[in-house]
Amino acid sequence: GNSVTQMEGPVTLSEEAFLTINCTYTATGYPSLFWYVQYPGEGLQLLLKATKADDKGSNKGFEATYRKETTSFHLEKGSVQVSDSAVYFCALRDTSGTYKYIFGTGTRLKVLA
Amino acid sequence: DSGVTQTPKHLITATGQRVTLRCSPRSGDLSVYWYQQSLDQGLQFLIQYYNGEERAKGNILERFSAQQFPDLHSELNLSSLELGDSALYFCASSVAEVGRDTQYFGPGTRLTVL
Repeated sequence: GNSVTQMEGPVTLSEEAFLTINCTYTATGYPSLFWYVQYPGEGLQLLLKATKADDKGSNKGFEATYRKETTSFHLEKGSVQVSDSAVYFCALRDTSGTYKYIFGTGTRLKVLA
Repeated sequence: DSGVTQTPKHLITATGQRVTLRCSPRSGDLSVYWYQQSLDQGLQFLIQYYNGEERAKGNILERFSAQQFPDLHSELNLSSLELGDSALYFCASSVAEVGRDTQYFGPGTRLTVL
């Protein structure tokens, strides 16, 4: 079945450091891929998405590229801020026609001033 | 604000009890999804409804049930509650069509079973 593997956290960085959170997936076909962010005490917010191979999703300085050859969708940001501290979830849309999502386990990011 | 509303925000109840969580999707979205987020299990898909009909089932216990009403709001019913059912329950909605598959999440209902 389809699955998502995300790097374990927590990830602790200093402000202005470069961020990478790894995400790989297993799926039949070509699922849409998503990154969601969850700030403390809140629900999940869509951060970015990509729907086909080589698509790059971007938002708020974050980027991720849909790599079919490596089945990856790594999240990157060139310079993190304290306000980026949150839990980040990688997800794919199931390819069985149901449109449900399969989520990774989440990666907690803590950015220190 | 995602446009998805969930009530109540918090719910505290005792083991053995039954509760109902409510979700109103974004305007125009026909599909509703329920997820459970617990510390040890991460974010687990429970069930999906599309225009009133069940479309997909995930790791949903037999003690749990859901339905989607003609006005498209959905309710998740949890019965014979156990301590392990304490979690955040999220509802999401989407159009559920090719190219329009982004899910928008509500703020969640935090359930505490004592």
